[in-house]
Amino acid sequence: ETGVTQTPRHLVMGMTNKKSLKCEQHLGHNAMYWYKQSAKKPLELMFVYNFKEQTENNSVPSRFSPECPNSSHLFLHLHTLQPEDSALYLCASSQAQGTDQETQYFGPGTRLLVL
Amino acid sequence: AQSVSQHNHHVILSEAASLELGCNYSYGGTVNLFWYVQYPGQHLQLLLKYFSGDPLVKGIKGFEAEFIKSKFSFNLRKPSVQWSDTAEYFCAVLGTNAGKSTFGDGTTLTVKP
Repeated sequence: ETGVTQTPRHLVMGMTNKKSLKCEQHLGHNAMYWYKQSAKKPLELMFVYNFKEQTENNSVPSRFSPECPNSSHLFLHLHTLQPEDSALYLCASSQAQGTDQETQYFGPGTRLLVL
Repeated sequence: AQSVSQHNHHVILSEAASLELGCNYSYGGTVNLFWYVQYPGQHLQLLLKYFSGDPLVKGIKGFEAEFIKSKFSFNLRKPSVQWSDTAEYFCAVLGTNAGKSTFGDGTTLTVKP
């Protein structure tokens, strides 16, 4: 247990579905991150929120929509995904972004399969 | 812009062999450096980190890494690996003015019993 939880752990969805991934951190951190981890590809940073404000959108398609209602919760809303979006989606948190306190603590990930 | 290069994509060793995984970064200023590990079926977790001070950093499970500023490197080492070290290892760099960490491609380590 790292103090970062993600639900669901596994998700299968069709290309026309709408679903949401949830991340919660119990560490009192102020920064939260979404990463995509695909087979045989490097970890890809998608979004960063620092004190509930989005500070990074790494050219992510609009079919992925993040939401950060408070420093403890982060959502990733999904709609009209493509099969190539199938991957492990990792959430992480850190004390703050872009400082020497940016040691990131990762959740277990949501394994997403798009059919 | 900052970048990270991990030279070895897949390393296979026998138990008790010594390990060195390469990590080189590109960034013009002060950096913080990290090694993360992901054991099969488990979370990514921090192995060790360098912020400042002694360039030889010791982490968990007998791992260490040395920051060599002149070579822009932060190689991970372990004198004697165990089967349980089988995992994927990621190097990451945070340029202090960059505002975000960048991860390397990862190195898969397989230790044969």
